[in-house]
Amino acid sequence: DIQMTQSPSSLSAYVGDRVTITCRASQSISSLLNWYQQKPGKAPNLLIHAAFRLQSGVPSRFSGSGYGTDFTLTISSLQPEDFATYFCQQSYDYPLTFGGGTKVDIK
Amino acid sequence: QVQLQESGPGLVKPSETLSLTCTVSGGSISSYYWSWIRQPPGKGLEWIGYIDYSGSANHNPSLKSRVTISRDTSMNQISLKLTSVTAADTAIYYCASPTVGNTVGDFDSWGQGTLVTVTS
Repeated sequence: DIQMTQSPSSLSAYVGDRVTITCRASQSISSLLNWYQQKPGKAPNLLIHAAFRLQSGVPSRFSGSGYGTDFTLTISSLQPEDFATYFCQQSYDYPLTFGGGTKVDIK
Repeated sequence: QVQLQESGPGLVKPSETLSLTCTVSGGSISSYYWSWIRQPPGKGLEWIGYIDYSGSANHNPSLKSRVTISRDTSMNQISLKLTSVTAADTAIYYCASPTVGNTVGDFDSWGQGTLVTVTS
């Protein structure tokens, strides 16, 4: 199985901060990396697919980058509604696997 | 996007079989791929498996042979059965799918999830 490792597991930030979350795959996954946002009691919501492609309706303050094994999700200016948990997921091979999550909360 | 709705018992006894149904609206299950994903409370996500447009299924080897994913095209429903459950199977169970034409693992449609607790 392809292991997905996210860091940090949690972070505290102020509204307006630039936030970066990283995800590392245990082997190359090309650009087949997705990012999800999950709020308490809700299903995950796809933010970015194929490493950098913004899902329709997702604010442009979210961006993704990376290729191969190392990927990044960046929120350029954190907004109150962005406080949530973020997961990466590889869609390169089965079984599909997710990172452990990064919880972003208010500082 | 399609709408997905999970349903099934919220409590299952250890060693018994967990059975869930996902009802799909706004799209046909005879097109594309339909997955089950679970999340233990407060923890991460685990892909369980999928059934595709032809009825072929694929599941996570970590669940060994306990998983069966099937479909009822007349009802436009996907089903999950997980046998010999233990407390480790306590989780929120989601059905999810990609938009037709997108990469199979890009889940842009999710059900609201259903919590299944394994307890005697």
